[in-house]
Amino acid sequence: AQSVSQHNHHVILSEAASLELGCNYSYGGTVNLFWYVQYPGQHLQLLLKYFSGDPLVKGIKGFEAEFIKSKFSFNLRKPSVQWSDTAEYFCAVNVVGKLIFGQGTELSVKP
Amino acid sequence: AAGVIQSPRHLIKEKRETATLKCYPIPRHDTVYWYQQGPGQDPQFLISFYEKMQSDKGSIPDRFSAQQFSDYHSELNMSSLELGDSALYFCASSLKGAKQNEQYFGPGTRLTVT
Repeated sequence: AQSVSQHNHHVILSEAASLELGCNYSYGGTVNLFWYVQYPGQHLQLLLKYFSGDPLVKGIKGFEAEFIKSKFSFNLRKPSVQWSDTAEYFCAVNVVGKLIFGQGTELSVKP
Repeated sequence: AAGVIQSPRHLIKEKRETATLKCYPIPRHDTVYWYQQGPGQDPQFLISFYEKMQSDKGSIPDRFSAQQFSDYHSELNMSSLELGDSALYFCASSLKGAKQNEQYFGPGTRLTVT
């Protein structure tokens, strides 16, 4: 069965620290991969997406992610986090139209 | 730009009552998806519609039904509500045939069952 696994349940960082959130997926077909962010009390917003081509994709707010096919991974990175990045981050894979989400990683950034 | 609209934003119901959630997709989008996000959980796919026909079904209880209308809006009907149905219900829309069906999410309806 298709699945998405996020390595970290809760990450706590200080401002200006670098961020890397792990995401591995299990799906044998052509993958479309996404990272969504959910700020407290708000809806899901698309951070970035990978469909094909350059495996390093850049998204909004300085986030980027790298698709490594051999490792079935799509890790999210940001060189320097801000307090405003405090949110929950979901990795997702598009499986025949529907999105399969990971468990989410809660990021807390201390000012 | 117009976004996905969901109504109501908040809904409080008692056990065994019914609830209807509405979703209005982005104009020209023809596909609607419903997801359920329980407290502290990741969103789970419930059901999707394309051109008013059900296109896929996930972990949707038999007590729930949904449909898509001619104007592409969708309604999720929930009957015999249980405490465990308390969750955030997201609707997303996409344009089938557009680039890999990128989905745009609405703000969600927070359903509380007491």
